[in-house]
Amino acid sequence: EPEVTQTPSHQVTQMGQEVILRCVPISNHLYFYWYRQILGQKVEFLVSFYNNEISEKSEIFDDQFSVERPDGSNFTLKIRSTKLEDSAMYFCASTHSSGRAYEQYFGPGTRLTVT
Amino acid sequence: QKEVEQDPGPLSVPEGAIVSLNCTYSNSAFQYFMWYRQYSRKGPELLMYTYSSGNKEDGRFTAQVDKSSKYISLFIRDSQPSDSATYLCAMAAGQNFVFGPGTRLSVLP
Repeated sequence: EPEVTQTPSHQVTQMGQEVILRCVPISNHLYFYWYRQILGQKVEFLVSFYNNEISEKSEIFDDQFSVERPDGSNFTLKIRSTKLEDSAMYFCASTHSSGRAYEQYFGPGTRLTVT
Repeated sequence: QKEVEQDPGPLSVPEGAIVSLNCTYSNSAFQYFMWYRQYSRKGPELLMYTYSSGNKEDGRFTAQVDKSSKYISLFIRDSQPSDSATYLCAMAAGQNFVFGPGTRLSVLP
């Protein structure tokens, strides 16, 4: 069964450093998402992406965040200058079409620890 | 008022019990209602989705949506220890999902 994959599973970085989180969405999916879950808190929407453009973004997704689809398979989230409060699980998700946005499939997540 | 509210639990039930999980919401624009299951330190796994009001059944799981009351439920029949997880409701208007905080469920053998 196809699945969303994410690398690395755990990333430790120092405050102020740049990190890139990587995702490989399901191959025939066209819409991609990033979510964040701070430990013990709810899953929060960050951004949606379609046709090489951001479709929607939340207030959390400020100028320190960017997303990119550098090739036909990867989808990345870059955090330019990490802060302690960026420590969280980051989940990538994908869906086949905007008409099925409710049917998002999530990856296993990357745990980001900022020290 | 928070956009989506959910009893955080934890909820403990004996194996075989019927479980009822609920969410309330405030945004009447929500049209899609989803239930996800999340095991510890894993990604959310889609269980069921429903469009607008009504019921939907899938095996031991039944989802109900009452848009007039802004209330959704997930029922699990014949609960199993493997159902022990955190259950997240999620709602969407467009592509922006809003998740509830999750209810932690333990099914005891």
